[in-house]
Amino acid sequence: GAGVSQSPRYKVAKRGQDVALRCDPISGHVSLFWYQQALGQGPEFLTYFQNEAQLDKSGLPSDRFFAERPEGSVSTLKIQRTQQEDSAVYLCASSLSDSTNEKLFFGSGTQLSVL
Amino acid sequence: KQEVTQIPAALSVPEGENLVLNCSFTDSAIYNLQWFRQDPGKGLTSLLLIQSSQREQTSGRLNASLDKSSGRSTLYIAASQPGDSATYLCAVRVNFNKFYFGSGTKLNVKP
Repeated sequence: GAGVSQSPRYKVAKRGQDVALRCDPISGHVSLFWYQQALGQGPEFLTYFQNEAQLDKSGLPSDRFFAERPEGSVSTLKIQRTQQEDSAVYLCASSLSDSTNEKLFFGSGTQLSVL
Repeated sequence: KQEVTQIPAALSVPEGENLVLNCSFTDSAIYNLQWFRQDPGKGLTSLLLIQSSQREQTSGRLNASLDKSSGRSTLYIAASQPGDSATYLCAVRVNFNKFYFGSGTKLNVKP
């Protein structure tokens, strides 16, 4: 695709509900990242995939957070039993390879509000 | 842990001014530094990427410099325009999968 696509654009959940956030990276991009951005802050790392392999999930705040990328393209970030502190913008980014020289390309994000 | 700081947090200037945004980081062991622009409700758009071996990069009215040893980078915007109004973030890459971001500088260019 032309860019990184994320859906839904906005999600409102009641506390305790499960949510699933989708990311379509740029076609052919090997690396995929999920970030969490609180209001007025910079993005904070959640997890990283190289193709279908989740190589780093050290940023996931709790075991309620789960991410997958089963075929090495589309990725889903799932949050179980949502809490108010999960309210944030969730950003997905991809890059062409795992080289440290590559630029990151971001999607527009999913704004999650937990009531 | 790498800490990235951006000063000022917000900046308001009249159209046409040249301006400098600052980014500092605590650990000089980085692969590169990237400047991004974020418009309200949108994702981040990459502006410039400076490799650790480089001193500066230029794109149009934008010039970014990097002094790795002192842990500093600046983004220079020449002849600012109202369309430049956005939040500007810097990020340092410390390995193949880790970037650390600053909190950004919110720029308002007044017509």
